[in-house]
Amino acid sequence: AQTVTQSQPEMSVQEAETVTLSCTYDTSESNYYLFWYKQPPSRQMILVIRQEAYKQQNATENRFSVNFQKAAKSFSLKISDSQLGDTAMYFCAFMRGREYGNKLVFGAGTILRVKS
Amino acid sequence: EAQVTQNPRYLITVTGKKLTVTCSQNMNHEYMSWYRQDPGLGLRQIYYSMNVEVTDKGDVPEGYKVSRKEKRNFPLILESPSPNQTSLYFCASSLASGSGETQYFGPGTRLLVL
Repeated sequence: AQTVTQSQPEMSVQEAETVTLSCTYDTSESNYYLFWYKQPPSRQMILVIRQEAYKQQNATENRFSVNFQKAAKSFSLKISDSQLGDTAMYFCAFMRGREYGNKLVFGAGTILRVKS
Repeated sequence: EAQVTQNPRYLITVTGKKLTVTCSQNMNHEYMSWYRQDPGLGLRQIYYSMNVEVTDKGDVPEGYKVSRKEKRNFPLILESPSPNQTSLYFCASSLASGSGETQYFGPGTRLLVL
């Protein structure tokens, strides 16, 4: 079974600082997809960033970037210039492909608190 | 506005009383899915649908039913709810059923079964 591990249950960071959230996964597949979703107190699930495993270049979206290490099966999220609105639960998720129902397998989440 | 909607948003019920949580998307998305979120477990897939009349089980399908008679709707049915189905439920959809498509989530339905 595919598993996703987020080893940091909670983290905090000062406003304007940089923080990195960790994620590791276990798979024997060579082609797959990785995602980070943000869940603010409203409970809405919001896509932060997406990475395709066959692409070596790390994905970036404004202040959000990933460090994708395929051999190490690691997919960390870096948030630069942290803002109060970044306070949320962050979920790392793994997806194989259509033949597996496009199922997202989620980690347990990391609560991030941005302090002023 | 492009969105996935769920109703109701909050529901308290009693054991054994059948209920339906509706999910609708206005984006002409092909793929739809249901997840449940429990503390410490993240989200887990219940059922998914690749297209109209095509549904299949996810990781935790026991106690749930779904149907996909129209492209836009994907209701989740609990025939005889039990307290262990108390959870936060999310419906999600993606444009196509191809591999790796980004799934967009509804606002969630919080269910309490007494």
